Amino acid sequence: GDSVTQMEGPVTLSEEAFLTINCTYTATGYPSLFWYVQYPGEGLQLLLKATKADDKGSNKGFEATYRKETTSFHLEKGSVQVSDSAVYFCALKSGGYNKLIFGAGTRLAVHP
Amino acid sequence: GAGVSQSPRYKVAKRGQDVALRCDPISGHVSLFWYQQALGQGPEFLTYFQNEAQLDKSGLPSDRFFAERPEGSVSTLKIQRTQQEDSAVYLCASSEEGEGNTIYFGEGSWLTVV
Repeated sequence: GDSVTQMEGPVTLSEEAFLTINCTYTATGYPSLFWYVQYPGEGLQLLLKATKADDKGSNKGFEATYRKETTSFHLEKGSVQVSDSAVYFCALKSGGYNKLIFGAGTRLAVHP
Repeated sequence: GAGVSQSPRYKVAKRGQDVALRCDPISGHVSLFWYQQALGQGPEFLTYFQNEAQLDKSGLPSDRFFAERPEGSVSTLKIQRTQQEDSAVYLCASSEEGEGNTIYFGEGSWLTVV
């Protein structure tokens, strides 16, 4: 069945460092891909998405490119801030409605 | 309210008790989902409603789990005879009808079975 694999955390960075969180997927067909973020004490929020190959999703300085050839959707940010500390989830949607399949999540901790 | 609202936020149940978790989706949202998130894991799909119709319940882990949405708005997830392995965060999400619409999540109901 469809699945998402993302790098294990925690990822610990200093402020202004470059961030990459790897995500790969297995799916039949052509899924849409998503990154969700969960800040401490809050619900899941959509960070960005891409719906077809070579699309780049971007938001709040984060970006990810849908790579069909490597079945990947890695999340990147050029300069992280302390406020980016959260758990990040990669997810895919395939099929006829908005059912999401999530990865296990990667915790990011950014220190001043 | 502006977002998806869930109650209770926290529930401690003794093993064997029944629990009911409530979800108020965003007004007008046709699609409603329940997910289960174990500690340190990503959310896992439980069930999906389109209005009052439960179109997919393939993720419900056992017949102790039951969900309903009788009037197509508020939904209740019921867990009978709770077990320790049911301890998790239960997330509700809703979206407008149609593919590609953003899915909005509630803050979750944290269930601890002791």
